Amino acid sequence: DAKTTQPNSMESNEEEPVHLPCNHSTISGTDYIHWYRQLPSQGPEYVIHGLTSNVNNRMASLAIAEDRKSSTLILHRATLRDAAVYYCILRDGSNTGKLIFGQGTTLQVKP
Amino acid sequence: DTGVSQDPRHKITKRGQNVTFRCDPISEHNRLYWYRQTLGQGPEFLTYFQNEAQLEKSRLLSDRFSAERPKGSFSTLEIQRTEQGDSAMYLCASSQGIPPYEQYFGPGTRLTVT
Repeated sequence: DAKTTQPNSMESNEEEPVHLPCNHSTISGTDYIHWYRQLPSQGPEYVIHGLTSNVNNRMASLAIAEDRKSSTLILHRATLRDAAVYYCILRDGSNTGKLIFGQGTTLQVKP
Repeated sequence: DTGVSQDPRHKITKRGQNVTFRCDPISEHNRLYWYRQTLGQGPEFLTYFQNEAQLEKSRLLSDRFSAERPKGSFSTLEIQRTEQGDSAMYLCASSQGIPPYEQYFGPGTRLTVT
């Protein structure tokens, strides 16, 4: 799986939008972009994924650059419960199944 | 269905002892994964099963580590002759066998080797 680059940490104020960037310049045409997050003392949880088009779900939105070399996870209104480590992961379209986690971005949300 | 469960949640053992962890996946999920996470790092893949077949093992999974999923339901991860470097959080996840293979994680078992 190709490598991703994320900032180590970010801060946000409660109820403001948060944009978490991810660079993946070596992405291949069959790589899906997945985001997981890990709240303190919990296992990771799935947030969202996409291939080429922007995606929305109840948790977040995923904006994918036209060249697919970067993407942004958007939390529309951060809450204190969104404080977590956010992982951007590339997974190819084959059947391997495994996730390769990087260091992720630690998001702090200030009241 | 309450999600993926793991037992025990915490385990303290002395170096050289054997330990075994259990994971119960979401019932309709045929894929089961094991990961290891040390402090400040992202989880590292160890191995995964599709039904009872172990399809991939990381080179991180030394000879002292063995995982089983005998009936394609729960899984066990055994570590023999534990070392201090084995101290970590051991995470289990499960998924359906169809794309996007969204994985659901359990709370983990924290192992401390003294």
